[in-house]
Amino acid sequence: DAGVTQSPTHLIKTRGQQVTLRCSPISGHKSVSWYQQVLGQGPQFIFQYYEKEERGRGNFPDRFSARQFPNYSSELNVNALLLGDSALYLCASSLAPGQGQETQYFGPGTRLLVL
Amino acid sequence: AQSVTQPDIHITVSEGASLELRCNYSYGATPYLFWYVQSPGQGLQLLLKYFSGDTLVQGIKGFEAEFKRSQSSFNLRKPSVHWSDAAEYFCAVGEYNFNKFYFGSGTKLNVKP
Repeated sequence: DAGVTQSPTHLIKTRGQQVTLRCSPISGHKSVSWYQQVLGQGPQFIFQYYEKEERGRGNFPDRFSARQFPNYSSELNVNALLLGDSALYLCASSLAPGQGQETQYFGPGTRLLVL
Repeated sequence: AQSVTQPDIHITVSEGASLELRCNYSYGATPYLFWYVQSPGQGLQLLLKYFSGDTLVQGIKGFEAEFKRSQSSFNLRKPSVHWSDAAEYFCAVGEYNFNKFYFGSGTKLNVKP
């Protein structure tokens, strides 16, 4: 079975632009989470979605938004890009939150560079 | 607030030597604990996890970790390190129902020949 896939793999944008990152979870997984990993740091939690609803949100500004589609794939949108948004954006999927099914499996990430 | 601390930023060990990577967490309830490994330019691969039960858990690639509630620790160990183990290792804590997931800052492992 395919793992978590993310597109694009790399992206270069300029300040003020908007970006959309995409994620397809492992087949059968209904929960998707997004993380930001700045160089030299651990991943920081941005969002968790389950059954198309936002279940959790980290300490990120409203410029960050996401959604989950009926096929459980997800998009992360970032508006008004800042230089500090340059990072590796990781998507993770799991069967569901709770009930011992929370183990998250990560995709390879999208590396975003903001100039 | 929940947090995860990995006190060692860099560790260098000789190939064949034993390894222990430290992880301390702060969480009010019973934690769900994980160790992930990240090779350069790659995503995160799950090594092992602890939800409940036996406090010594076995993972892939010969890794194990021990949950010590009294010390709020979940240290990762391997009896004999291989050159291919050189990577960055992250400890993580998941909240109940996993609305949020917290990672430590990571420990970079170098392996000397």
